[in-house]
Amino acid sequence: NAGVTQTPKFRILKIGQSMTLQCAQDMNHNYMYWYRQDPGMGLKLIYYSVGAGITDKGEVPNGYNVSRSTTEDFPLRLELAAPSQTSVYFCATHKEQASYEQYFGPGTRLTVT
Amino acid sequence: RKEVEQDPGPFNVPEGATVAFNCTYSNSASQSFFWYRQDCRKEPKLLMSVYSSGNEDGRFTAQLNRASQYISLLIRDSKLSDSATYLCVVNANPFSSYKLIFGSGTRLLVRP
Repeated sequence: NAGVTQTPKFRILKIGQSMTLQCAQDMNHNYMYWYRQDPGMGLKLIYYSVGAGITDKGEVPNGYNVSRSTTEDFPLRLELAAPSQTSVYFCATHKEQASYEQYFGPGTRLTVT
Repeated sequence: RKEVEQDPGPFNVPEGATVAFNCTYSNSASQSFFWYRQDCRKEPKLLMSVYSSGNEDGRFTAQLNRASQYISLLIRDSKLSDSATYLCVVNANPFSSYKLIFGSGTRLLVRP
């Protein structure tokens, strides 16, 4: 099992460009999350999903969109990239009854210049 | 006030030392507490949960003080491999237990 995979690993965007960060899990979990982690800061929840077709905003959703058409995939879309979106993005999931043990993907390092 | 606060460190200790980190949380309704470990440029991973009665896992001991709203992590006999950032994590809302609040982490450096 691959667990949680994320692509790309690194990306540099110009201001105003758009991109989609991919996240996939092969654990058949319903819950999935997107976080961002700025240097020296804790993880901030961007969006989360409790199952296919259901998504909701987290703490810092502005500038992002998500979709969840399948259990496996939870892509994060950045429209009109801004320097403030320079960060490391982590996707995570967990078992139904064990929300405290979140399994994270390896992250995507994004720089917007 | 931040929801979860940690001393960023770094704590620089020799191998074999005992080191302790504290973390404070602001929401008195929080019910679940955890320590995650994050190696440099890697994803966070669950280290251990924190139970009201305190709990131990090998060289690691976690404690919870609800009255003062703080959590602690004690590492005994530090190893070089313990060098990492330790994230204090709190369940944000007892009615939506899957939302976690992450502290910014305490960095530990263990030197030979």
